[in-house]
Formats: sequence, C-alpha cells, structure tokens
Amino acid sequence: AQSVTQPDIHITVSEGASLELRCNYSYGATPYLFWYVQSPGQGLQLLLKYFSGDTLVQGIKGFEAEFKRSQSSFNLRKPSVHWSDAAEYFCAVGPTFTGGGNKLTFGTGTQLKVEL
Amino acid sequence: ETGVTQSPTHLIKTRGQQVTLRCSSQSGHNTVSWYQQALGQGPQFIFQYYREEENGRGNFPPRFSGLQFPNYSSELNVNALELDDSALYLCASSLAGQGKNEQFFGPGTRLTVL
Repeated sequence: AQSVTQPDIHITVSEGASLELRCNYSYGATPYLFWYVQSPGQGLQLLLKYFSGDTLVQGIKGFEAEFKRSQSSFNLRKPSVHWSDAAEYFCAVGPTFTGGGNKLTFGTGTQLKVEL
Repeated sequence: ETGVTQSPTHLIKTRGQQVTLRCSSQSGHNTVSWYQQALGQGPQFIFQYYREEENGRGNFPPRFSGLQFPNYSSELNVNALELDDSALYLCASSLAGQGKNEQFFGPGTRLTVL
C-alpha cells in the first residue's frame, strides 16, 4: 500500500532563513509526487509536482523540490522564507496509470511557523 | 477559468442526521474526487467519480455515497452522521486521460456533527 511520511509535524524558521520540509514515500513504482499548501480554514493549493524528467522541479512562490529515487524522498525547499509562507504543507503521491481511480495519498502535514 | 467551488462553507448537524455537500468542478474537468480531512490530519480519499460513476473508493463505509451529474458537478451524501464525521470535506477536480493526476481543490465544507 502506498504511504507518505512527513516526519516533522511543526517547523519554525526565521523570516529570510532557508527552509526544507521532508517527505518520504512508499510506493510500488515511481509515483507522481505533489506538494500542496493549506492556509488556515482554506483548501489546498498546488505548489509543485513531479511527473518525470528533471528531478529538481520548480513551483510557485519560489518553492522547489527534489525527487530522489534512491531515498524515496521528495523534499520541499525555499532559499528565503517570507512571513506569508506560514501555513501547513502536505506532500502527496498518486499513481502514474491513466484513467480513473487515481487517488492521492497525503502525509499528515508539516505546520510551518515563521518568526519575524 | 472558473475554479472548484463547494457549498455550503460551513454546516452543523446532529448525530443520526443526513447531509449533502456540493461541488462544482473546474471548467474543462471531468473527474471529481472527495476527501475527508479531520483536524490535524492530511486529507483521506473517500471516492472519485468519472462519467457519472464511482471510479475508486477509499476506506469509508457505504453511508458515504456520491453522485456526479452530466455537467460534472458532484454531491457527497453522508447518512446516519457520527461525531467522527466532523471534518473538512474537500472536493478536487481533474481531467482524466491526461495521465498526470493533477487535482485542483476547492475551499472545502466544514462539517460539525454535534
């Protein structure tokens, strides 16, 4: 069964500092990988996605993530955090086959706090 | 381009009641998925609808049911509500056949069961 682990429940960084959020997955093959962000009381916004090709993917708001097959990881990074980045971040995996039934499996999330 | 919309925003029900949540998919999308997000947890897949039929289901009991309409909008129905059904219910739409499983989420419906 597929699963996603986000080992850090809470992370606090200072504004302007770099950020790395960890994500490890368990899947039978190379899955599609996603990072979503959720502000309080809001739905999920897609930050970036990995389908194939270059293992370093760029997303919105200055975020990037690197897929490492050997480590089954897809960590999210940002060089300089802004106060508005404070939110909850979810890593998700999905199957690569076409058609329906393509559910996403999410991790439990990492709550990011930004100190001014 | 219209994004995914959900109604209502908030809902309060009592145990044993039934509830219907609604979702309008993003323009051009033909697939709708529903997720339950309990407080402090990641979203859990309930089921997906494609061409008006259920096309994949997570570990949820039959009292969770749904519909998809010809315009690709969808409803989630929950019967015999339990306290543990209190959660944020998220709808996501996507375009099947692209093979990339990119799902776009609505703002959610916050359900409270008393």
